[in-house]
Amino acid sequence: EAGVTQFPSHSVIEKGQTVTLRCDPISGHDNLYWYRRVMGKEIKFLLHFVKESKQDESGMPNNRFLAERTGGTYSTLKVQPAELEDSGVYFCASSQSRVTEAFFGQGTRLTVV
Amino acid sequence: GQQVMQIPQYQHVQEGEDFTTYCNSSTTLSNIQWYKQRPGGHPVFLIQLVKSGEVKKQKRLTFQFGEAKKNSSLHITATQTTDVGTYFCAGHDYKLSFGAGTTVTVRA
Repeated sequence: EAGVTQFPSHSVIEKGQTVTLRCDPISGHDNLYWYRRVMGKEIKFLLHFVKESKQDESGMPNNRFLAERTGGTYSTLKVQPAELEDSGVYFCASSQSRVTEAFFGQGTRLTVV
Repeated sequence: GQQVMQIPQYQHVQEGEDFTTYCNSSTTLSNIQWYKQRPGGHPVFLIQLVKSGEVKKQKRLTFQFGEAKKNSSLHITATQTTDVGTYFCAGHDYKLSFGAGTTVTVRA
């Protein structure tokens, strides 16, 4: 069974540019989460999808971040325009139900210069 | 909103020693999960606790869920170099919220 896959694994962009991160969850997992971890700090919740619906997007920093989940399958997280403080590792995770274990992708390391 | 806090943030352990990391939530949790992230890796699920007062063991790791379902602990005995990494607790309220983690280093 394929795990959660994220693309790209690394991205270096200049301030003001746009970046789109992609996450393919485990097939059949309705719950999809986006998190961000800045060096040495907590894994900060960004948002939670149930199928194609945003269940909770309270962690999204501001309107420069836009997440979508087309047809309840893969998800994208777009940052436009990127700022220096957006740097960090963005993790996607999926779970079968809201209360079962979450499976994490390898993460996308975003560096904004 | 729900907040999950972990202490200590860093734990430097002599190989063979025991240590404990603690997790506290500002709200009652439906369950709590523990994850481990190795350096350069991604969080990997270790265990889930659901019942009040529940205790589960995985070899040298002992996990406990508090009676009020607002705190949890992870105790590791006879620490080995393979235990290096960051241990996160994650509380389920309406979303899965992670603590800041305890980063463990081991000196041989």
